[in-house]
Amino acid sequence: AQRVTQPEKLLSVFKGAPVELKCNYSYSGSPELFWYVQYSRQRLQLLLRHISRESIKGFTADLNKGETSFHLKKPFAQEEDSAMYYCAPNRSNDYKLSFGAGTTVTVRA
Amino acid sequence: DVKVTQSSRYLVKRTGEKVFLECVQDMDHENMFWYRQDPGLGLRLIYFSYDVKMKEKGDIPEGYSVSREKKERFSLILESASTNQTSMYLCASSLRNLQYFGAGTRLSVL
Repeated sequence: AQRVTQPEKLLSVFKGAPVELKCNYSYSGSPELFWYVQYSRQRLQLLLRHISRESIKGFTADLNKGETSFHLKKPFAQEEDSAMYYCAPNRSNDYKLSFGAGTTVTVRA
Repeated sequence: DVKVTQSSRYLVKRTGEKVFLECVQDMDHENMFWYRQDPGLGLRLIYFSYDVKMKEKGDIPEGYSVSREKKERFSLILESASTNQTSMYLCASSLRNLQYFGAGTRLSVL
């Protein structure tokens, strides 16, 4: 069965420390992968997508097809990065996304 | 800026009531989605629509139905609300794979 796994439900880091959110998927073919973020009292929004290969708010994510992973990383976490993060591969050949269970990140001062 | 508007932020309903959740988007997107968001379970797709009057079941359609009479509006219907349908409901519309979300409706069924 197709699946996306975010193994950490909660992640707590100090401000200025690196943060890495893990995401593994088990989809056949070449899915497109996304990270979505939900800040407190805000709507869910796109953070980044793998095909754009850009850094958004200091975050990057590398697609590793061999390990079927799409981990999200930031070298120096900031307090405003505290949020819920969802990894979301698209299901092949349609516009539906599958969302992981989410990781809540807390950045402490 | 894409705008996806859900008609209610909070709803409280009684068991057995028929419940309508409304969603409107202003970007002429063909695809619209309804999810429920529960702690530890992430977002689960309830129904999906790829065109007016077209719908497709998602992963958890039981107890729900949908209506898409106009391109901009996608309604989620709980025919007979039950307590296990207490949740946060998110609507989204998409341009290809990019999904844009509404603010959510927190539904409590008592």
